[in-house]
Parts: sequence; structure tokens; C-alpha cells
Amino acid sequence: ETGVTQSPTHLIKTRGQQVTLRCSSQSGHNTVSWYQQALGQGPQFIFQYYREEENGRGNFPPRFSGLQFPNYSSELNVNALELDDSALYLCASSLVVAGQETQYFGPGTRLLVL
Amino acid sequence: AQKITQTQPGMFVQEKEAVTLDCTYDTSDPSYGLFWYKQPSSGEMIFLIYQGSYDQQNATEGRYSLNFQKARKSANLVISASQLGDSAMYFCAMREENYGGATNKLIFGTGTLLAVQP
Repeated sequence: ETGVTQSPTHLIKTRGQQVTLRCSSQSGHNTVSWYQQALGQGPQFIFQYYREEENGRGNFPPRFSGLQFPNYSSELNVNALELDDSALYLCASSLVVAGQETQYFGPGTRLLVL
Repeated sequence: AQKITQTQPGMFVQEKEAVTLDCTYDTSDPSYGLFWYKQPSSGEMIFLIYQGSYDQQNATEGRYSLNFQKARKSANLVISASQLGDSAMYFCAMREENYGGATNKLIFGTGTLLAVQP
């Protein structure tokens, strides 16, 4: 148990729709990262939030956006869904101390876009 | 650019035997961290072990050890006394170590599927 939870566990959407995925971080962790894992691949970094501010972004278009809340929970929003957005979405929470941190992952949300 | 390479798509090991999962990395940064994660079929990424680039000793965590060869840029995971519950995908990942508040993103390899046979 990592203390990181995600909801929903599974989701089916159609192309063009919008989706919001949620993550509850481990208590006290001030950083949350989101990753996309396509079938048969390793996770790809989407973005990271630190103290409610975006703190870096991977090679994903602006229709991928996020929020982090004061209680360190966070959301990943994806607009105008495309078929290639079908993947496992993982969030990871961490506490950055002097540049050192270990990311602890939630169980993920499996998104299928039809 | 940073890169992680895992050349073994799949591995078999007999229960109670040791197994080594290969990982090589590429980076121009002198300070970095290397991680191994286990991903069962349920999907959750489980942190196993961490090695910092300046660590003199190889990291160990229970049955897991990391064979860190800096000159070869390799960070192989060794699992001793394999158990049936070790069957899963294993990912090697790298992160730049930084102290300036920059992004601590992880770069993952493509993974190795380990099957432990009774």
C-alpha cells in the first residue's frame, strides 16, 4: 500500500469527449506527477505539480491539463479525446527534500477511448 | 537526452533461483538516480530499490539488490530466491537529481516481464 489512490479505476469514453481523472496523494506529499502508460510501453511523463503550480511538462499537447489542490489531491483533465489517449494513467506522489524524492504510484485509471 | 534501455522483453526463472534483469542508461548529467519498479497485472507501480549516482555501495532491499556499474552505465536488478509472487513487469527508471526545484520526472524503460515457474 502506497497511500496513493486514484479514481475511477476504469473509464470508457468516446472520441471528442472530455475526461477528469483524480488522484489522492500520500499524506504530507507536496508533489504529484502524472504518467501515461500505453499498452506494452513504459510510463511517459505528462506533467508534475509542486505546491499547486505546474513544475514541468512532458511532450503532451495542451489538451492535457491538471490541477493540484491545497490538500495535495490532484486532477488530470484531457479534452477532445483521441483514440490514442487509451492508456493506463498513473499518478505518483512524492515529498521533495533537498532534491531527493521517491515517487509512490497509485493503482492507475484505465481509460478506453472508442 | 536521457534514455533507459531494457533489452529483455521477457524472462523465465525457477522458483527459489536468482535472476538478473538488465538495465542500461544514458545521460550526460553527473548527478542522477536510478530506480526499479515492479508492476503486477493490477497496474500499480511498486517501488523496489533506488541507487544514487554518487553512492559508493550497491543498493540492497531485502531480496532485491542493484548491481550498479557506473562506467558501463548499467543498473541491473538482482532478485534472489525468486518467489511465485515475483511474477510481474519490472521497469528501470532514471531521474536527474536536482536541487533547484526543477522537475523530478522519471524516464522509464520498456520493461521486462518476469515469469517465475514452480
